[in-house]
Amino acid sequence: GQQVMQIPQYQHVQEGEDFTTYCNSSTTLSNIQWYKQRPGGHPVFLIQLVKSGEVKKQKRLTFQFGEAKKNSSLHITATQTTDVGTYFCAGPRSGTYKYIFGTGTRLKVLA
Amino acid sequence: KAGVTQTPRYLIKTRGQQVTLSCSPISGHRSVSWYQQTPGQGLQFLFEYFSETQRNKGNFPGRFSGRQFSNSRSEMNVSTLELGDSALYLCASSRSGGPHTYEQYFGPGTRLTVT
Repeated sequence: GQQVMQIPQYQHVQEGEDFTTYCNSSTTLSNIQWYKQRPGGHPVFLIQLVKSGEVKKQKRLTFQFGEAKKNSSLHITATQTTDVGTYFCAGPRSGTYKYIFGTGTRLKVLA
Repeated sequence: KAGVTQTPRYLIKTRGQQVTLSCSPISGHRSVSWYQQTPGQGLQFLFEYFSETQRNKGNFPGRFSGRQFSNSRSEMNVSTLELGDSALYLCASSRSGGPHTYEQYFGPGTRLTVT
């Protein structure tokens, strides 16, 4: 079945360092969404990418959707302690409203 | 606008019992999805309802069921609970059924512990 994998699974960075998580789907996605879940919290929607090769920025966060629409990345510049949490990508199974969530990348920022 | 609410927030049940969880979506949202989150399996899709109809179902046994009411509120039921059903159950609502606008807003979840 369709799978969405994220790497790395865990990432520890010093505050101020950059961070990138990669999302890879086994099938083409019509769109991809990114969510952030703080420890003890629930996933919070960050952004949605729809077009092939699309790049969107939110302050220190840069999101990219691959040309083949099978992969995506989230890059955080100069991490802060508020960036701590697990970042998930999610894509819909083709032709459905069933969203497959990635395995997540847990980010820890050391002050 | 009030967010997605879920009740109860915490629940402890015994193996073999059944449980019903409730979700109230954001006003105006007609789509409600349910997810199970565990440390080992991550976020797994259970089912999605739109206008009282189940549109999609994940790969869970028939013990997991749900429904949606005319006011978009949704319930999920788990019968004959097993230890492995211990998890955080998350509900997410969306304002549109169209895949390009399907941003989901999650509730705080119900933490179910089966003993």
